[in-house]
Amino acid sequence: KAGVTQTPRYLIKTRGQQVTLSCSPISGHRSVSWYQQTPGQGLQFLFEYFSETQRNKGNFPGRFSGRQFSNSRSEMNVSTLELGDSALYLCASSLEGGGSTDTQYFGPGTRLTVL
Amino acid sequence: AQSVTQPDIHITVSEGASLELRCNYSYGATPYLFWYVQSPGQGLQLLLKYFSGDTLVQGIKGFEAEFKRSQSSFNLRKPSVHWSDAAEYFCAVGPYNDYKLSFGAGTTVTVRA
Repeated sequence: KAGVTQTPRYLIKTRGQQVTLSCSPISGHRSVSWYQQTPGQGLQFLFEYFSETQRNKGNFPGRFSGRQFSNSRSEMNVSTLELGDSALYLCASSLEGGGSTDTQYFGPGTRLTVL
Repeated sequence: AQSVTQPDIHITVSEGASLELRCNYSYGATPYLFWYVQSPGQGLQLLLKYFSGDTLVQGIKGFEAEFKRSQSSFNLRKPSVHWSDAAEYFCAVGPYNDYKLSFGAGTTVTVRA
């Protein structure tokens, strides 16, 4: 069974631009979570989607948004990019989500660099 | 609020030696605890998790962790380290009813020959 895939793997943008990252979960998984990883702040939870609905959200500004499609694939969007948005963005999928008893499987991440 | 502290930023260990990574958590209720490993350029891989029951948890790759409620700790151990264990290790805590995991800052493990 294929793992979680994320595209693109690397991305370079300039300040003020917007970016869309994509995540394809493991087949059969309906929950997708997104995390931001930076050297300064570490791993921080962005949001979780389940059945096309955002079920949980971290403490990030409204510039960060996401969505989930009927096939469980998810995208996250960052508008008006800032230098501080440079990070590794990790996607994780799980069967049902909604609780920590359900194991999350992480993708390799998308490395975003904002110049 | 939940939080995780990993006191050691970097640990160097000789191949074949034992390894122990420390993790302390702060959480108001019964925590769900996890250890993940991240190799360079890779995502996170779950090593083991604790929800309830036996406080000594066995994981993959020969790792184990012990939950000690009185010390609010969930330390990770491996009896004999292999060069392939060089990576960054993250401890995380999550609530029962949602997926909002809180991660520690991570411990980088270097294995010397």
